[in-house]
Amino acid sequence: DSGVTQTPKHLITATGQRVTLRCSPRSGDLSVYWYQQSLDQGLQFLIHYYNGEERAKGNILERFSAQQFPDLHSELNLSSLELGDSALYFCASSEDYQETQYFGPGTRLLVL
Amino acid sequence: GQNIDQPTEMTATEGAIVQINCTYQTSGFNGLFWYQQHAGEAPTFLSYNVLDGLEEKGRFSSFLSRSKGYSYLLLKELQMKDSASYLCAVLDNYGQNFVFGPGTRLSVLP
Repeated sequence: DSGVTQTPKHLITATGQRVTLRCSPRSGDLSVYWYQQSLDQGLQFLIHYYNGEERAKGNILERFSAQQFPDLHSELNLSSLELGDSALYFCASSEDYQETQYFGPGTRLLVL
Repeated sequence: GQNIDQPTEMTATEGAIVQINCTYQTSGFNGLFWYQQHAGEAPTFLSYNVLDGLEEKGRFSSFLSRSKGYSYLLLKELQMKDSASYLCAVLDNYGQNFVFGPGTRLSVLP
């Protein structure tokens, strides 16, 4: 157990819908990262937050957005969902932004 | 641009030694990480290299050559449970962004 929690574990929804994925980092960790992993694909970095502020953006679509709250938990919002958005979404946290990342168990999203 | 290359698949025998290579071209370098990922599970941290040389941790060792943009992960005394994907990741110049390689799927056979 990495200490990073993600909810929900599984999510099934329809095209065009909007969903919110939640991540609680390890106690004391200030950085939160979001990744997308499609079937048989590598991890694609989406976005990085540090202590409430956005620090880096990767291959994140405009339909996706995220934020980190004062209590350091983070949410990833996915809207106008498409079939191709079906994937595992991982959140990871680290103490600082150059430290080892610890991954949560992931949220498996299926868009039908 | 950012590019990390790893072999797609490797096969080895239980009890043997296997070396998984990783080459990278990234906008700057602030460290290289190796992660293990079993199918359908989250990646778990294995090792971290920021200086050239070999880091040893039990059955796992990782080597880095910054001048060559090259790293390898060495797994000794292979066990069946080592069957997994191994991900190489580089922390970029500003320390803000992790770039992950495509992963190497290792199969350990009895």
